[in-house]
Amino acid sequence: AQSVTQLGSHVSVSEGALVLLRCNYSSSVPPYLFWYVQYPNQGLQLLLKYTSAATLVKGINGFEAEFKKSETSFHLTKPSAHMSDAAEYFCAVKPPNTGNQFYFGTGTSLTVIP
Amino acid sequence: DTAVSQTPKYLVTQMGNDKSIKCEQNLGHDTMYWYKQDSKKFLKIMFSYNNKELIINETVPNRFSPKSPDKAHLNLHINSLELGDSAVYFCASSQEAGSSGNTIYFGEGSWLTVV
Repeated sequence: AQSVTQLGSHVSVSEGALVLLRCNYSSSVPPYLFWYVQYPNQGLQLLLKYTSAATLVKGINGFEAEFKKSETSFHLTKPSAHMSDAAEYFCAVKPPNTGNQFYFGTGTSLTVIP
Repeated sequence: DTAVSQTPKYLVTQMGNDKSIKCEQNLGHDTMYWYKQDSKKFLKIMFSYNNKELIINETVPNRFSPKSPDKAHLNLHINSLELGDSAVYFCASSQEAGSSGNTIYFGEGSWLTVV
């Protein structure tokens, strides 16, 4: 069975500080991996995705994530947090060759302190 | 153009009522989903349809019934609404795996409040 673990349901950073949101997955075969962002009262938007090409993936709004097979991780980072980054972030996995089943983590709420 | 659109965005209704949420996608995708997001922001898959056929039907009360008239539409009908049904319901769509890493696209959500 697939699972996605997001360590830390709440993360607070100061404006300008590094953002690090953690995501680990369990899968015998490397899945496709995604990060989504949800701003207040809105739907989920795709930030970036890993599809077995480059292990370092760049997304929108200055975010990037690195796929590390040995650690089964896909952590999301941004060098310098902006106030506008405050949102809920979801990691998701899609195992290959299993149709269209996506598995979402429980989300991490990012607060940016001025 | 909104890729995945759902209506209504906000819905307040009394216990016991029956309500529907409509969803349409203009992306040409063949798979559509309904997710429920609770007050803790947990996202839970409810249903998945592929080309109008039910693929995933998680443990959801029988009061919830999805209807897919065509592959661009997936509506959610809820009978005898209960207080615990209050949540945000998201419609989503994706393309059947063929190439890699197909992305799931979400609607803006429907905020359901049962009073």
